[in-house]
Amino acid sequence: NAGVTQTPKFRVLKTGQSMTLLCAQDMNHEYMYWYRQDPGMGLRLIHYSVGEGTTAKGEVPDGYNVSRLKKQNFLLGLESAAPSQTSVYFCASNRDRAGQPQHFGDGTRLSIL
Amino acid sequence: RKEVEQDPGPFNVPEGATVAFNCTYSNSASQSFFWYRQDCRKEPKLLMSVYSSGNEDGRFTAQLNRASQYISLLIRDSKLSDSATYLCVVTTANTGNQFYFGTGTSLTVIP
Repeated sequence: NAGVTQTPKFRVLKTGQSMTLLCAQDMNHEYMYWYRQDPGMGLRLIHYSVGEGTTAKGEVPDGYNVSRLKKQNFLLGLESAAPSQTSVYFCASNRDRAGQPQHFGDGTRLSIL
Repeated sequence: RKEVEQDPGPFNVPEGATVAFNCTYSNSASQSFFWYRQDCRKEPKLLMSVYSSGNEDGRFTAQLNRASQYISLLIRDSKLSDSATYLCVVTTANTGNQFYFGTGTSLTVIP
């Protein structure tokens, strides 16, 4: 059971380039989330989804777009990467039942030059 | 005001010591509470859920005080492998199952 899988693990981009981060979970979870983590800032929610075909903005959504076309996948897109988006990105998922904790992927380290 | 606040530490303790972390949350409607552990450059991993009556898992004890809106984590007989950052996490029913993370408390256990 793979749990939550993120691809790629590392990426270096130039300013203005675009890319998509993929998150896949095999636990049939309804809820999925994208976070970024920066030194001293803790985890900040970018976007989340409460089910297939739905997305919602989190705390820091600007510069990112997401899609949840299939229940098991949650994609995070950067249309025009900026140095301020250099960060570690974590995907998480959980069941839609009270008290259920989130399960995390092992992260994507993204550097924008 | 932040949803969840933690003392960032660092806490440096000798092996075998007992150490306690506290965390406060701002929303009285918060429903579920967790402690996560995060090792350097790794993903957060669930350490334990926190129940209203308090709960224990081996050397780890978690407690919840709803009246004062704080959560605690007690680690007894600290091991070198306990060195990590501990994240306090709270969910609030009226925010679509969003999870609020503290910035974490750093623990280093010294030989």
